Amino acid sequence: AQSVTQLGSHVSVSEGALVLLRCNYSSSVPPYLFWYVQYPNQGLQLLLKYTTGATLVKGINGFEAEFKKSETSFHLTKPSAHMSDAAEYFCAVSSYSSASKIIFGSGTRLSIRP
Amino acid sequence: IAGITQAPTSQILAAGRRMTLRCTQDMRHNAMYWYRQDLGLGLRLIHYSNTAGTTGKGEVPDGYSVSRANTDDFPLTLASAVPSQTSVYFCASSPEGNQPQHFGDGTRLSIL
Repeated sequence: AQSVTQLGSHVSVSEGALVLLRCNYSSSVPPYLFWYVQYPNQGLQLLLKYTTGATLVKGINGFEAEFKKSETSFHLTKPSAHMSDAAEYFCAVSSYSSASKIIFGSGTRLSIRP
Repeated sequence: IAGITQAPTSQILAAGRRMTLRCTQDMRHNAMYWYRQDLGLGLRLIHYSNTAGTTGKGEVPDGYSVSRANTDDFPLTLASAVPSQTSVYFCASSPEGNQPQHFGDGTRLSIL
């Protein structure tokens, strides 16, 4: 069975500050990991994904995430927050099996203070 | 523009009425999904389909049904709507089950 936990339902940072959104996963097989972003009144959009290979993955809008197997983590970071980053962020996990479905975390709302 | 189209975008419905939410994709993806999104609960999978002609139950299937007659369409039906089904419903698709999903813009449904 797979699961994902996002620590903090709401994170607030100042514009220009580091963004860190935390995600821990549980998986009995090598995981595929994803971060999605949801802007108001829209569906989810893929930010980045990890399947195999390099553990530091870069996504759109300056975001990146690092897969740390020893910590079962896949935290999302951005060096400098912009006002346009305010949104809901979802971490998700699946596996190499094509029959596997993606399991989503409960989401973290990111607010940016001017 | 390739993607997923959901209809209607919003609907107010009386309890007890039947309602079908439509979802169409033009990416020829094998897998399709229906989620509901409620405050504090994130996304919960209602039903899914790994390929045309097959469907499966997700985490919260009760009160909902789906069909997958072809690759492109995956309608979700509420046979007799109840107020607890008030939610935002998202349809999604992916090439295969474990691959990134593409989402529609959602249907906001209110059951009175």
